[in-house]
Amino acid sequence: DTGVSQNPRHKITKRGQNVTFRCDPISEHNRLYWYRQTLGQGPEFLTYFQNEAQLEKSRLLSDRFSAERPKGSFSTLEIQRTEQGDSAMYLCASSRDRGEAFFGQGTRLTVV
Amino acid sequence: AQSVTQPDIHITVSEGASLELRCNYSYGATPYLFWYVQSPGQGLQLLLKYFSGDTLVQGIKGFEAEFKRSQSSFNLRKPSVHWSDAAEYFCAVGSGTYKYIFGTGTRLKVLA
Repeated sequence: DTGVSQNPRHKITKRGQNVTFRCDPISEHNRLYWYRQTLGQGPEFLTYFQNEAQLEKSRLLSDRFSAERPKGSFSTLEIQRTEQGDSAMYLCASSRDRGEAFFGQGTRLTVV
Repeated sequence: AQSVTQPDIHITVSEGASLELRCNYSYGATPYLFWYVQSPGQGLQLLLKYFSGDTLVQGIKGFEAEFKRSQSSFNLRKPSVHWSDAAEYFCAVGSGTYKYIFGTGTRLKVLA
């Protein structure tokens, strides 16, 4: 399977814990995006990488959120001190320059 | 402000009937337009895209969409709906394809 891969698919955590999600993009794609989707809403842009450089972060990405793409390949999204409002589906996507984005299956986070 | 409006939250059609899902956008630059489909608990699958050229674009699964600049619309159509088309459909707009703005989605129900 050469699509975008996200792990884990589901994560249940207690409030205040830290969580980390991983995204493996399509191998030849140099752009990688993170989106967040809450129930009944469309995905909202969080951040974007061009190779290993993080070029834009949304205001939605509070100081508790950090994303990395250390070698321009896979990416991680970490949420520190999780809150119930962080419960959502976290979607990763990748693309070539000026190409359409291909999305992964997402990681569903539930904070209890 | 940049935005995407999908005025129909829910649509119900009978199997075999035609379908049109509406999408209107507000975007300052020349838009790139997309339709994605999402099954419950899954990521987004690209149905079709418009970058430039012919304003009627064909996609997968028998879907098509027409870009009408004068109406700021990009409506999705299918002549005959199948039960497997039941899902949520998202319209998105971007420029340079690096950050997408999504609508809130239209949930399609198909009656047998």
